[in-house]
Amino acid sequence: NAGVTQTPKFQVLKTGQSMTLQCAQDMNHNSMYWYRQDPGMGLRLIYYSASEGTTDKGEVPNGYNVSRLNKREFSLRLESAAPSQTSVYFCASSEPGSGNTIYFGEGSWLTVV
Amino acid sequence: QKEVEQDPGPLSVPEGAIVSLNCTYSNSAFQYFMWYRQYSRKGPELLMYTYSSGNKEDGRFTAQVDKSSKYISLFIRDSQPSDSATYLCAMMDNQGGKLIFGQGTELSVKP
Repeated sequence: NAGVTQTPKFQVLKTGQSMTLQCAQDMNHNSMYWYRQDPGMGLRLIYYSASEGTTDKGEVPNGYNVSRLNKREFSLRLESAAPSQTSVYFCASSEPGSGNTIYFGEGSWLTVV
Repeated sequence: QKEVEQDPGPLSVPEGAIVSLNCTYSNSAFQYFMWYRQYSRKGPELLMYTYSSGNKEDGRFTAQVDKSSKYISLFIRDSQPSDSATYLCAMMDNQGGKLIFGQGTELSVKP
């Protein structure tokens, strides 16, 4: 059982380049999330999707776009990467009502130079 | 001001010590309270989960929620070097949407 899988694990981008972080879950969860984690800031919610076809902004959505492609997949896109977006990105999923347990992927380390 | 505040530490204790980790919050709508453990270069994993106020015990771990004070705690008894990790508190309201995290406390348990 893979759980939450996100790719790539590591990426270096130049300022202004675009890229998409991919996330897929095999637990049939309705809710999916994208967080970023920075030193001293904890995990901050970028976007979340309560169900297929819906997305909502979190705490720090600026500079990002998301797509809930289907129930399994939730992608995060950086249209024009900036050094301030250097961070570790975590995708997560949950099923509301099942104790609200959220399962995280292993993380994607992104550096923007 | 962040909705959830957590002392980032770092916290260093000797093996066998009792560890107390704490978070305060400002949103009275939070009903679900969780503690996550995160090892270096890994994703967070759920450690404890509590609904509303009260205590919950699981082995060496005890989670406490005091909604009147907007304060939650995680106690670790007989701490072990394997407990060395970053501990994050997290909270969610009844709508089941956003899970908001504290900054995380880095714990080191020395043999």
